[in-house]
Amino acid sequence: DTEVTQTPKHLVMGMTNKKSLKCEQHMGHRAMYWYKQKAKKPPELMFVYSYEKLSINESVPSRFSPECPNSSLLNLHLHALQPEDSALYLCASSQDGGASTDTQYFGPGTRLTVL
Amino acid sequence: AQSVAQPEDQVNVAEGNPLTVKCTYSVSGNPYLFWYVQYPNRGLQFLLKYITGDNLVKGSYGFEAEFNKSQTSFHLKKPSALVSDSALYFCAVRDYSGGYQKVTFGTGTKLQVIP
Repeated sequence: DTEVTQTPKHLVMGMTNKKSLKCEQHMGHRAMYWYKQKAKKPPELMFVYSYEKLSINESVPSRFSPECPNSSLLNLHLHALQPEDSALYLCASSQDGGASTDTQYFGPGTRLTVL
Repeated sequence: AQSVAQPEDQVNVAEGNPLTVKCTYSVSGNPYLFWYVQYPNRGLQFLLKYITGDNLVKGSYGFEAEFNKSQTSFHLKKPSALVSDSALYFCAVRDYSGGYQKVTFGTGTKLQVIP
């Protein structure tokens, strides 16, 4: 099973709202990722967690706050977003993130619209 | 840093004809290359990867990719295209940057299979 699940599928929020995106995997993977993808563009890496510790933050604005409560779950907390933050947010996981041969498996994404 | 290039924004092919989606890479050291497919409003699905060994890599849904070291290419191929293969295809390379392993994606190629 190579399934990564994400909730919600769609999210509409105002610029003053606080919301969270959730991601879950049960493959025993120890690395998890958040990506942002604009229409017809490649995914852009935002954060990487390895063994539940934040290992990469690609200079993401503080209005995005990741959290990894345990090895199976990854959250992305959103606050005071801007309309330009509207995008497809993808979660991915991989075995451990450190090996060159590691393969990332993606969830279906959350389509976020900021009004 | 490692990189991949997808020279074609869009590829059109008639159903039943062979298809090729092009990718070239630029790496120092051994290349670790991947192909992903993205259907509309969905996450990325892993198709195949090249790590080492045979230059012809077989993947999901009848796709294969040919690794060519002399031409620094990793083209995705399928002998007979289906309308359902219409999607956005991303080539990717494993990159070691900032002290950690990451995946760098190409710009994507939209494949349109014409009935």
